[in-house]
Amino acid sequence: AQSVTQLDSHVSVSEGTPVLLRCNYSSSYSPSLFWYVQHPNKGLQLLLKYTSAATLVKGINGFEAEFKKSETSFHLTKPSAHMSDAAEYFCVVSVTGNQFYFGTGTSLTVIP
Amino acid sequence: AAGVIQSPRHLIKEKRETATLKCYPIPRHDTVYWYQQGPGQDPQFLISFYEKMQSDKGSIPDRFSAQQFSDYHSELNMSSLELGDSALYFCASSHYPEAFFGQGTRLTVV
Repeated sequence: AQSVTQLDSHVSVSEGTPVLLRCNYSSSYSPSLFWYVQHPNKGLQLLLKYTSAATLVKGINGFEAEFKKSETSFHLTKPSAHMSDAAEYFCVVSVTGNQFYFGTGTSLTVIP
Repeated sequence: AAGVIQSPRHLIKEKRETATLKCYPIPRHDTVYWYQQGPGQDPQFLISFYEKMQSDKGSIPDRFSAQQFSDYHSELNMSSLELGDSALYFCASSHYPEAFFGQGTRLTVV
């Protein structure tokens, strides 16, 4: 069975400071992992994905994530937060492609 | 680049009415998924289709049905609507391992 745990429901950072959104996964098989961002009243946008290639994955808007099998983690980071980063972030796992399993989301607030 | 198209974007229905949501996947994507996102909730998987056959089923109520047609577009049919069905309904299409989501259909049941 697959599941995703996002360790923080809310994260608040000051503009220009680093962002860390934590995600742990559980999977019986080698997973594919994703981070999606959802701005208020908008759809889901793919930030980045891990699919068994390089463990450090770079995405759009300066975000990156590192797949750590030993820790079953896939944390999302960004060196410097921007006001436009304020949104809901979802960590997602998939194994077979029949279903994508969503975490419960992390709401990121960026303080000016 | 072509994206996943959902229609309508917004829909208002009364209780006990029916609704049909449509999804047009990215060309050459072989899998379509439907998700329901309630207010302040994470998306919940409803159902998926691979090559026009149902491939997986999640927490889809019996009042809902879905199918994928020969042109790969998919429709989610919802009958006997309840207030609790008010949500954002996402369709995604995939050529594994990547999935792209549409903008969603916001259904409001009054």
